[in-house]
Amino acid sequence: GDSVTQMEGPVTLSEEAFLTINCTYTATGYPSLFWYVQYPGEGLQLLLKATKADDKGSNKGFEATYRKETTSFHLEKGSVQVSDSAVYFCALSLPVAAGANNLFFGTGTRLTVIP
Amino acid sequence: DSGVTQTPKHLITATGQRVTLRCSPRSGDLSVYWYQQSLDQGLQFLIQYYNGEERAKGNILERFSAQQFPDLHSELNLSSLELGDSALYFCASSVGWYKGYTFGSGTRLTVV
Repeated sequence: GDSVTQMEGPVTLSEEAFLTINCTYTATGYPSLFWYVQYPGEGLQLLLKATKADDKGSNKGFEATYRKETTSFHLEKGSVQVSDSAVYFCALSLPVAAGANNLFFGTGTRLTVIP
Repeated sequence: DSGVTQTPKHLITATGQRVTLRCSPRSGDLSVYWYQQSLDQGLQFLIQYYNGEERAKGNILERFSAQQFPDLHSELNLSSLELGDSALYFCASSVGWYKGYTFGSGTRLTVV
């Protein structure tokens, strides 16, 4: 079935380090792919998205490229800040019927950035 | 403010009781989704409504039910509550499956 496999955490990095969080997916159709971020005590926020192969989503210095050949959507940031400490979720969305769709989440990766 | 409003923010209740969680979607969004987030199970999709009609069902227990009203707000009813129902319950809304969802800040339910 359709699913998302996400790099397990937790991940601890020093400020200004390079971040990669791996995400791969399995889907029967042509999904849209997303990264969501959840800061402590808050709901999920859409960080970036890509709707077709080779699209690159970017926001707040984060980037991810939709790779159909490797079924991947890895999240990267060149220089993390303490304020990036949060839980990151990879997700895919597929329509299943008229007006109906599923959004599958990975298990989440907790990132802690230390000064 | 994401535009999706959930009330109440916190709820403490006893086992066996019934509670109702409320969600107002972002203006213009016709779809509402309910998710349960617990420590051991991650984010679990419960149910989706589109313009008042149920459209997709996930791992929703029979003790749980939901509906979406003509003004598009939605309610999630949880009955015969058990300790294991303690979790964060999120509502999200969307204008299209390829555009991503907008999440509310959640209702933290504690069953004692």
